[in-house]
Amino acid sequence: LAKTTQPISMDSYEGQEVNITCSHNNIATNDYITWYQQFPSQGPRFIIQGYKTKVTNEVASLFIPADRKSSTLSLPRVSLSDTAVYYCLVGGGKLIFGQGTELSVKP
Amino acid sequence: ETGVTQTPRHLVMGMTNKKSLKCEQHLGHNAMYWYKQSAKKPLELMFVYSLEERVENNSVPSRFSPECPNSSHLFLHLHTLQPEDSALYLCASSQGRWSRGGTEAFFGQGTRLTVV
Repeated sequence: LAKTTQPISMDSYEGQEVNITCSHNNIATNDYITWYQQFPSQGPRFIIQGYKTKVTNEVASLFIPADRKSSTLSLPRVSLSDTAVYYCLVGGGKLIFGQGTELSVKP
Repeated sequence: ETGVTQTPRHLVMGMTNKKSLKCEQHLGHNAMYWYKQSAKKPLELMFVYSLEERVENNSVPSRFSPECPNSSHLFLHLHTLQPEDSALYLCASSQGRWSRGGTEAFFGQGTRLTVV
């Protein structure tokens, strides 16, 4: 399984765009990249998934460079309710979670 | 509401008790997972069932015993637990072959377990 590395924490202010980068140097050819969001005392929630280039949905965008050794989750105009832990996962259904990035959005 | 329901939501048990956690999914998925999350820590994968067969067991102590009677239900039987087993226990389900990429998992709300 590809190991992922993310910043432990990030701070932002309401209305700003937040970019969280995940490194996954050993990603395999058939691995997808998936991001989850987790609020305290709740289960993680799927945000977005991609294989290459760019994916966008109503919540976020995911940018994946050509070598796929990293990916960036972009949250446009964050609000206080986006304060959560964000996890980057690579690979199949084993769903191995790393330490995640604790995002704190301030007024 | 994610389609994955866990009961109970909260559980306090003594170290000599036996209890069970239940997870039910109504999404038609064929893979189910148990995770443990201690305070301020990442999720630890405990067990994975695919098509009712256990395909992953991450060196979990035998005081935790999973059971998957069908693809919609998953249990975690607990006995003689220790205080360090106090944590949030999360169940998840997904569709498709568990070992392939591109899996979106749906999580339950979790059971907050306290061992006294």
